[in-house]
Amino acid sequence: EDQVTQSPEALRLQEGESSSLNCSYTVSGLRGLFWYRQDPGKGPEFLFTLYSAGEEKEKERLKATLTKKESFLHITAPKPEDSATYLCAVRAGRKTSYDKVIFGPGTSLSVIP
Amino acid sequence: DGGITQSPKYLFRKEGQNVTLSCEQNLNHDAMYWYRQDPGQGLRLIYYSQIVNDFQKGDIAEGYSVSREKKESFPLTVTSAQKNPTAFYLCASSMRTGSQPQHFGDGTRLSIL
Repeated sequence: EDQVTQSPEALRLQEGESSSLNCSYTVSGLRGLFWYRQDPGKGPEFLFTLYSAGEEKEKERLKATLTKKESFLHITAPKPEDSATYLCAVRAGRKTSYDKVIFGPGTSLSVIP
Repeated sequence: DGGITQSPKYLFRKEGQNVTLSCEQNLNHDAMYWYRQDPGQGLRLIYYSQIVNDFQKGDIAEGYSVSREKKESFPLTVTSAQKNPTAFYLCASSMRTGSQPQHFGDGTRLSIL
């Protein structure tokens, strides 16, 4: 069964304390992995797309990496405004008119000043 | 600015009542989606539409209905048959169903009176 899990469920960091969030997946035919940021009461905001193992993408203090079974979202020297829930999603399946997208439950990040 | 507008932000449903959630996009996207978000769970797909006058059931379509009469609009009706409707509902769009990223609206929170 296709599945996406994220760990930890919640993470509390001091400002400036770097860390990583994990997204593990078991799907047949990965066709893309996506990271989103979601603030409370808002819709998810797209961050990155990764397509193949070894690929990396960066944006400000965030860097996303991909292996064959998991992805990491590295946060370097986080600030309080980085506090949010980070969602991972995987697009899987054969190339058809609709590829299923499976979302993980998210990691809630709190950055304390 | 282009984007997705969901309304209302908060909605309350009485027993036996149908309610309709609005979703409008001005991104000129062909594909639109409805997701349900519950605490501790990943987003779950309710319905999606690849083109006007066409839509398909997602993983949890029971108790919901949609229409796609215009490219810009994809309203979701939560019927009285949906026995556990309390959730955060998110509408999304993308250029095509095979393309990413999906752009999200800011959601509607539905509660039972």
